[in-house]
Amino acid sequence: GDSVTQTEGQVTVSESKSLIINCTYSATSIAYPNLFWYVRYPGEGLQLLLKVITAGQKGSSRGFEATYNKETTSFHLQKASVQESDSAVYYCALSGTSSGSWQLIFGSGTQLTVMP
Amino acid sequence: EAGVTQSPRYAVLQEGQAVSFWCDPISGHDTLYWYQQPRDQGPQLLVYFRDEAVIDNSQLPSDRFSAVRPKGTNSTLKIQSAKQGDTATYLCASSYGGGAGEQYFGPGTRLTVL
Repeated sequence: GDSVTQTEGQVTVSESKSLIINCTYSATSIAYPNLFWYVRYPGEGLQLLLKVITAGQKGSSRGFEATYNKETTSFHLQKASVQESDSAVYYCALSGTSSGSWQLIFGSGTQLTVMP
Repeated sequence: EAGVTQSPRYAVLQEGQAVSFWCDPISGHDTLYWYQQPRDQGPQLLVYFRDEAVIDNSQLPSDRFSAVRPKGTNSTLKIQSAKQGDTATYLCASSYGGGAGEQYFGPGTRLTVL
């Protein structure tokens, strides 16, 4: 079936260091998946961070970026220099049409803690 | 512009009790979604509507869960006889233009079933 895998449940990084959060996907019934990163800051609702709808393209927002890699079925989230305010839960997701119904499938999330 | 609103924010009940969650989507959004998010997992779609019509309820446990959106605006999700396994956060989201539109999420209702 269709799924998204985030291998790290928790990541701790010192401020100003670089970050990578891993995401791989499997899209067996969705022909042309769109890929997303969502974020939930403490005390706030889930919100879209960035999305990419075309394989090979890169999306970016708030200093984060992710490249849609169809060959490795990956969509890793990266940032060159994290800030304490980036502490949040990050969810990778894919969407597309399967059997006539639109699906948005999430990974299990990665809790990022940025240490001052 | 007001975001998606949900109530209540928290609910605690005993097994076998019923509970209802209410969602008010962003004005003008024709598509509304209900997700269940167990602790330490990502959100999982339960049901979604386009206007008042159910488009996909294949993941909704139909023996105890029901969802309606009678006028194509607000929606109610009801659990008839709650079980401990229903303990989760219930998220409502809305979008414009069906599933392809960007989904905007409400703050969620955190349900604990004792």
